[in-house]
Amino acid sequence: GNSVTQMEGPVTLSEEAFLTINCTYTATGYPSLFWYVQYPGEGLQLLLKATKADDKGSNKGFEATYRKETTSFHLEKGSVQVSDSAVYFCALDQTGANNLFFGTGTRLTVIP
Amino acid sequence: ETGVTQTPRHLVMGMTNKKSLKCEQHLGHNAMYWYKQSAKKPLELMFVYSLEERVENNSVPSRFSPECPNSSHLFLHLHTLQPEDSALYLCASSQGLSGRSYEQYFGPGTRLTVT
Repeated sequence: GNSVTQMEGPVTLSEEAFLTINCTYTATGYPSLFWYVQYPGEGLQLLLKATKADDKGSNKGFEATYRKETTSFHLEKGSVQVSDSAVYFCALDQTGANNLFFGTGTRLTVIP
Repeated sequence: ETGVTQTPRHLVMGMTNKKSLKCEQHLGHNAMYWYKQSAKKPLELMFVYSLEERVENNSVPSRFSPECPNSSHLFLHLHTLQPEDSALYLCASSQGLSGRSYEQYFGPGTRLTVT
């Protein structure tokens, strides 16, 4: 079946540090892959996505590359800010399914 | 109003109460979703509606009853809930059904506490 595995949190970084949040997936066929972000007190927002192998999604300084050979979609940012503090969810979208499959989320806290 | 709105934002109810959660989307989308978000668990899809017809019901207990009167509104009717039903309930909408890479837009959620 389909599943998404994210690195356990919480993650605490100092401002301007490099961020990596690991995400691996299990799926049949060729899913699309997503990163969603949830800021405190809000719903989830799409951060970036990639729809085929070797695609790189990017937004707000965040990047993730769809790696089919390692079934991974790791989220990276070169220099985090306090405002990036949130919970990050990796998700996949399987053709023929009616829903997204989400990971458990990784809480990021950035300290000044 | 823009995007996806949910009311109320917070709800405390006893196990014998009946209440309803409301979701409204102002995006012209055709699909709507209810999710349950509990601490340290993946988001759980509860129901999916497409063009006002239910297309997915993921073994949700009958004490949760969805209603989709039109493509802009989605309700979740609650009755005789249990304390373990306390969670954040998220509504989402998309242009079409996921599985075709349609982005889901989420509301801010209703924080439900069952006492």
